[in-house]
Amino acid sequence: NAGVTQTPKFRVLKTGQSMTLLCAQDMNHEYMYWYRQDPGMGLRLIHYSVGEGTTAKGEVPDGYNVSRLKKQNFLLGLESAAPSQTSVYFCASTNHAYSGGGETQYFGPGTRLLVL
Amino acid sequence: GEDVEQSLFLSVREGDSSVINCTYTDSSSTYLYWYKQEPGAGLQLLTYIFSNMDMKQDQRLTVLLNKKDKHLSLRIADTQTGDSAIYFCAVTSGGYNKLIFGAGTRLAVHP
Repeated sequence: NAGVTQTPKFRVLKTGQSMTLLCAQDMNHEYMYWYRQDPGMGLRLIHYSVGEGTTAKGEVPDGYNVSRLKKQNFLLGLESAAPSQTSVYFCASTNHAYSGGGETQYFGPGTRLLVL
Repeated sequence: GEDVEQSLFLSVREGDSSVINCTYTDSSSTYLYWYKQEPGAGLQLLTYIFSNMDMKQDQRLTVLLNKKDKHLSLRIADTQTGDSAIYFCAVTSGGYNKLIFGAGTRLAVHP
């Protein structure tokens, strides 16, 4: 099992360019999440999905779009990148929660994005 | 909104115990987690505690939860240089296993 994988590992964009980050998990997890990590701020939830074909906004969704066309993949898109989107992006997945939750989130290795 | 706070830095001597503290605001959080992040890597789950527990021990790790004060702590016994990392406190909030993270505590272990 590869767990959670992310591509690319690193990317440099110019302001206004677009890109898509790919997250893939092979654990048959229902729930998937996209976070961004900025210095001194911990991880903040961008968007999440509770199943194939569903997406929902998290804490900081502006400037991002997501899609979950297949259960194992969760894509994060930046339509017009801005310097404020320079960050490290993490994807995570977890099983459906039964009886109140407690399922562990498994994280990918991260994608470093620099927007110039 | 919900908030999770941690001190940003802790320095300890090798062999001593480390205590990392966290406070949170969401009294309905049912699960509280500690994650570890090593340089250039993703987050790795260390341990978690259910909100109806006061303490959980797992080898060198001890988690204490004071629900009244909304205070969570992680104690690492016999701290080693390999424990140097950033430690994140996270709590469930708003269903669907969503987590609110603290800013992370950078633990530095020196000889």
